[in-house]
Amino acid sequence: QTVVTQEPSFSVSPGGTVTLTCGLTSGSVSTDYYPSWYQQTPGQAPRTLMYNTNTRSSGVPDRFSGSILGNKAALTITGAQADDESDYYCVLFMGGGIWVFGGGTKLTVL
Amino acid sequence: QVHLVESGGGVVQPGRSLRLSCAASGFTFSSYGMHWVRQAPGKGLEWMAVIWYDGSKKYYADAVKGRFTISRDNSKNMLYLQMNSLRAEETAVYYCARYGPEKGIDYWGQGTLVTVSS
Repeated sequence: QTVVTQEPSFSVSPGGTVTLTCGLTSGSVSTDYYPSWYQQTPGQAPRTLMYNTNTRSSGVPDRFSGSILGNKAALTITGAQADDESDYYCVLFMGGGIWVFGGGTKLTVL
Repeated sequence: QVHLVESGGGVVQPGRSLRLSCAASGFTFSSYGMHWVRQAPGKGLEWMAVIWYDGSKKYYADAVKGRFTISRDNSKNMLYLQMNSLRAEETAVYYCARYGPEKGIDYWGQGTLVTVSS
């Protein structure tokens, strides 16, 4: 069974740039998987950041961008801020009406 | 303003059933598909099920197929999740979410906690 992979954790300095990725244990992620990204802080519901690879959700600052890098989907945060410290999840549309989330990346800003 | 409010969570014994509800407002409910997503304590998000805007199609994750049923009542702007044969490991916060543009999820409820325990 194909699993969606994300880095378990990542750290970035304030003002720095970080790229989180979303891959597959078997195969490559392409735009055909309509990758989307969500941000979640402890105790809160997820917030939608990005859908269909690189379309920002309403109100999301342009510091957040999405792309395909190599064989993975990617979420890049430029000019990281303290309140970017969150868990980040990707989800892929696998076809046949099925979506699968990655395990999430815990981002630390320090 | 889109608003999704889940209810129906609580403590249930293993093997028993529970029905969750999600009240939708602020948009034309009958025009949108809807998802259920859950999150076990300290764990990641897990997609469970989706229903098409008109209820014509329903799809489930393998983990819940055959035990959970997603449904909707467009006349009441309500989404439901009937959960049967619950297991302890299904203790989680259950979120309803709107099927957004381009196969994304655009709005989320605040979630309802289901605890499966004897």
